[in-house]
Amino acid sequence: ETGVTQSPTHLIKTRGQQVTLRCSSQSGHNTVSWYQQALGQGPQFIFQYYREEENGRGNFPPRFSGLQFPNYSSELNVNALELDDSALYLCASSLAGLGYGYTFGSGTRLTVV
Amino acid sequence: KQEVTQIPAALSVPEGENLVLNCSFTDSAIYNLQWFRQDPGKGLTSLLLIQSSQREQTSGRLNASLDKSSGRSTLYIAASQPGDSATYLCAPDNTDKLIFGTGTRLQVFP
Repeated sequence: ETGVTQSPTHLIKTRGQQVTLRCSSQSGHNTVSWYQQALGQGPQFIFQYYREEENGRGNFPPRFSGLQFPNYSSELNVNALELDDSALYLCASSLAGLGYGYTFGSGTRLTVV
Repeated sequence: KQEVTQIPAALSVPEGENLVLNCSFTDSAIYNLQWFRQDPGKGLTSLLLIQSSQREQTSGRLNASLDKSSGRSTLYIAASQPGDSATYLCAPDNTDKLIFGTGTRLQVFP
């Protein structure tokens, strides 16, 4: 079975620009979650998608948005980038329902200059 | 609001030692708890998943215990090796999202 894959691995953007990060979920998983991890911190929950709908959101502004596609892959979009958006963005997939764990991808390192 | 604390924040030990990493959380209404390993600049690798009804899980040299009522989990690493050097994160799952602390940064030297 394939794991969670994220692209690109690294990205440099200028403040004010927009960025799209991509994630392919593990085979058999139908839920995708996105996390932001600043340097030296633990990951922070951004939002989760299930059946192509947002299913829970953390304390992030509306300029963070997402999509889930019928094949369960997902995108994270960030508009009007700020310097503080520089972080490692992690995607995790899981199977909806209690008791299932999460599988994480290798992350996308975003640097905003 | 779930809050997670991991103690110690950092640990440096010679190889061969048995280690104890502690995790505490404030909301005991969790579905399960997962322990992860993270190498610098990399993603998270799942080590152990403990269901809320379980007391412990074992995988090789790793053993994790869970006391949901007191909001505590412990990760035991037996006979530590330099390859165990990484940051270890615990994450309780309630309301379908993981909440992380800042982790324990472990260095095992030869």
